[in-house]
Amino acid sequence: QKEVEQNSGPLSVPEGAIASLNCTYSDRGSQSFFWYRQYSGKSPELIMSIYSNGDKEDGRFTAQLNKASQYVSLLIRDSQPSDSATYLCAVTSSGAGSYQLTFGKGTKLSVIP
Amino acid sequence: DTGVSQDPRHKITKRGQNVTFRCDPISEHNRLYWYRQTLGQGPEFLTYFQNEAQLEKSRLLSDRFSAERPKGSFSTLEIQRTEQGDSAMYLCASSLGQGQVNIQYFGAGTRLSVL
Repeated sequence: QKEVEQNSGPLSVPEGAIASLNCTYSDRGSQSFFWYRQYSGKSPELIMSIYSNGDKEDGRFTAQLNKASQYVSLLIRDSQPSDSATYLCAVTSSGAGSYQLTFGKGTKLSVIP
Repeated sequence: DTGVSQDPRHKITKRGQNVTFRCDPISEHNRLYWYRQTLGQGPEFLTYFQNEAQLEKSRLLSDRFSAERPKGSFSTLEIQRTEQGDSAMYLCASSLGQGQVNIQYFGAGTRLSVL
């Protein structure tokens, strides 16, 4: 059973602080890793994708991947109240022709003004 | 708006009825996916099409569920003899398959309530 684990939270940070979201996955052969943001009652929205070890930065967001530790994280700098949402970690399964995403349960982030 | 359209947005039905949902992917995307999401959970994979071929199906997709993508464009997901446990958000996603890069964009979803 391929699993993606996230701390469900809620994670509360003050406005302007750094929010750190973590995710571990069980399938060592996983190739692609994604962070989606989901507002209450809405569908998932892609925030970041990362495919190789190291850091990837996009604006206030930084994704970090460590395949040896089977760990992926998302940092949100200068957190804003509009960042309050559930953040979903998703992993593409290994195996030829397998493109389904396996999601964690999500971490709920609250940014306090 | 990602460009993936789902219809209807909401569906309320009585137990035992059949329901059908439609998904229109981003026009140039050849891959289309269906997921189901219940409260407090992440989306769970149901099935995947590459063009018109259904290539993967989850164990979650019981024999009451059927999906089609007849011309490799839009897709339908039908649930027969609905049960209360089918109440969930049904999400469609599409992607342009280019090797390892397979970013999936989600539609707004269809929220099903089975009474």
